[in-house]
Amino acid sequence: EGQLVESGGALIQPGGSLKLSCATSGFTFSDYGFNWVRQAPGKGLEWISYIRSSGDTIYYADSVKGRFTISRDNAKSSLHLQVNSLRAEDTAVYYCARDSGPRHYYDLWGQGTLVTVS
Amino acid sequence: DIQMTQSPSSLSASGGDRVTITCRASQSISNYLNWYQQKPGEAPKLLIYGASSLQTDVPSRFSGGGSGTEFTLIISSLQSADFATYYCQQAYSPPWTFGQGTKLQVK
Repeated sequence: EGQLVESGGALIQPGGSLKLSCATSGFTFSDYGFNWVRQAPGKGLEWISYIRSSGDTIYYADSVKGRFTISRDNAKSSLHLQVNSLRAEDTAVYYCARDSGPRHYYDLWGQGTLVTVS
Repeated sequence: DIQMTQSPSSLSASGGDRVTITCRASQSISNYLNWYQQKPGEAPKLLIYGASSLQTDVPSRFSGGGSGTEFTLIISSLQSADFATYYCQQAYSPPWTFGQGTKLQVK
């Protein structure tokens, strides 16, 4: 079945940086692409980044491009999101989500980690 | 970017009702459309992928349809567990945008 567990969220001042992590288990990490999706308090879902299983294809939403960096460590079965130059509007719960492949549906989600920029 | 618009934004219904939620894309996305359910304080859960394929372990009262620019999520007979917020998402081209959500509430 599999499990995703995010960590690294915190209260951080504007302009600050954080590294979010997503630990995975129960499936072969290197077989899957992954996404980060965030949700501001009381708001809807916003897709922000994707990394392919091989790591050779990466996409970002315009809202985070140039400030956020997605990466993966296949040896440790973990996904990361380096978030820099944080703004108040980056305040959200950040979810990692496993990508199914060509159809890009997200069949496994973590519980989320809260980033508060204030 | 492809814009996704859901209607209605909120909906009040009763147990046993048949409910339809619509999702429209700003351009054709073939059948690259997914539906998710989210309950308060929880992560989203995949319901439907490829516009009409039911995810494993999702009850058969949920169904999806459509192609091109217009899609529907139908709940045939509402159960108490179905009161939640529903999101569509296009998976045709990045950025893989979500609709704004439809909150399904108890009438």
